[in-house]
Amino acid sequence: DSGVTQTPKHLITATGQRVTLRCSPRSGDLSVYWYQQSLDQGLQFLIQYYNGEERAKGNILERFSAQQFPDLHSELNLSSLELGDSALYFCASSVGGRGYEQYFGPGTRLTVT
Amino acid sequence: AQTVTQSQPEMSVQEAETVTLSCTYDTSESDYYLFWYKQPPSRQMILVIRQEAYKQQNATENRFSVNFQKAAKSFSLKISDSQLGDAAMYFCAYRSAEGGSEKLVFGKGTKLTVNP
Repeated sequence: DSGVTQTPKHLITATGQRVTLRCSPRSGDLSVYWYQQSLDQGLQFLIQYYNGEERAKGNILERFSAQQFPDLHSELNLSSLELGDSALYFCASSVGGRGYEQYFGPGTRLTVT
Repeated sequence: AQTVTQSQPEMSVQEAETVTLSCTYDTSESDYYLFWYKQPPSRQMILVIRQEAYKQQNATENRFSVNFQKAAKSFSLKISDSQLGDAAMYFCAYRSAEGGSEKLVFGKGTKLTVNP
């Protein structure tokens, strides 16, 4: 158990819908990272937050957004869902800054039908 | 942009034997970190080992060790005394230590099968 929690574990929804994925980082970790794992794209970095502020952006679609709250939990919002958004979404956390490992949550499996 | 290549989509090893998984990367940076993550059928991403680019000594964690060749931009993972529980997808990952980005750049992975 990495100490990072993600809810829900599984999500099945229809095209065009909007969903919210939630992540609670390890105690003491200030950075949260979101990654998408799909068969065709592999593991890709989406976005990073550090202590409530966006720090880095990767291959995140405009239909996706994220935020980190004062209690440091984070949410990833996916809207206008398409079949191609079906993937495993990971949240990772770290203390933040140089030299610290990222610890991954169990992931949320999103299926868009 | 940095890239990570794992040229072996699948590997297999006999229980108790040794196996080496390959990884190469491309970067113009001199300071960075390299990692191996394991993803068993449970899908959990588990950190196996990490290497700092400025360290010449290869990292070791119990049965897992790396062969880090900075000039060749190679970072292979050796698993000794393979166990059934080692069966998983293994991902090599790169992280810059320069600038603000802490994102991990992953290879496509190698599926390791351990035969009893």
